[in-house]
Amino acid sequence: NAGVTQTPKFQVLKTGQSMTLQCAQDMNHEYMSWYRQDPGMGLRLIHYSVGAGITDQGEVPNGYNVSRSTTEDFPLRLLSAAPSQTSVYFCASSYSSAGGSSGANVLTFGAGSRLTVL
Amino acid sequence: RKEVEQDPGPFNVPEGATVAFNCTYSNSASQSFFWYRQDCRKEPKLLMSVYSSGNEDGRFTAQLNRASQYISLLIRDSKLSDSATYLCVGNTGTASKLTFGTGTRLQVTL
Repeated sequence: NAGVTQTPKFQVLKTGQSMTLQCAQDMNHEYMSWYRQDPGMGLRLIHYSVGAGITDQGEVPNGYNVSRSTTEDFPLRLLSAAPSQTSVYFCASSYSSAGGSSGANVLTFGAGSRLTVL
Repeated sequence: RKEVEQDPGPFNVPEGATVAFNCTYSNSASQSFFWYRQDCRKEPKLLMSVYSSGNEDGRFTAQLNRASQYISLLIRDSKLSDSATYLCVGNTGTASKLTFGTGTRLQVTL
């Protein structure tokens, strides 16, 4: 099992450029999400999806778009990159988005994508 | 005040020592908690889930105190390989309601 695969691992962009971070999971997980991690701040949720065709905004969605056309893939698009989007981005998935103590909502993370915007 | 707060450390301990981290949370609606381990420049990986008063897994013990709104992580007999950042995560409902602390850095030395 590959788990959660993110590409690219590193990317340098110029201000105003657009790009897509790819995320794929092979665990048949219902829930997928994108986080960004910045120094001195906890992981912050950008967008999430509870199933194919369903997406919603998280805490910091501005400047990003997502789509979920299949269960496996959840790409994150930067529309017009800004230096404030320099960060490490993590894709994460879980079997279910539901609450409770079943463990079904425990997140599995991808290896991360380091993005620098000049 | 941050919803989940952790002492950033670093905690420097010798191999074999016992070390404990505390994590305080402000949202009393938090239903469950997680401790994730994150190595430098790597992704977070689940260490332990806490759904009731606590959990134990080998050298690691997590205890939840709902009255005082904190959760602790105790590591016994520390190993060099335990050196990492430990993230405390609170959950007030569904997976999109996770709140991550900024992490506590542990450095275990010879």
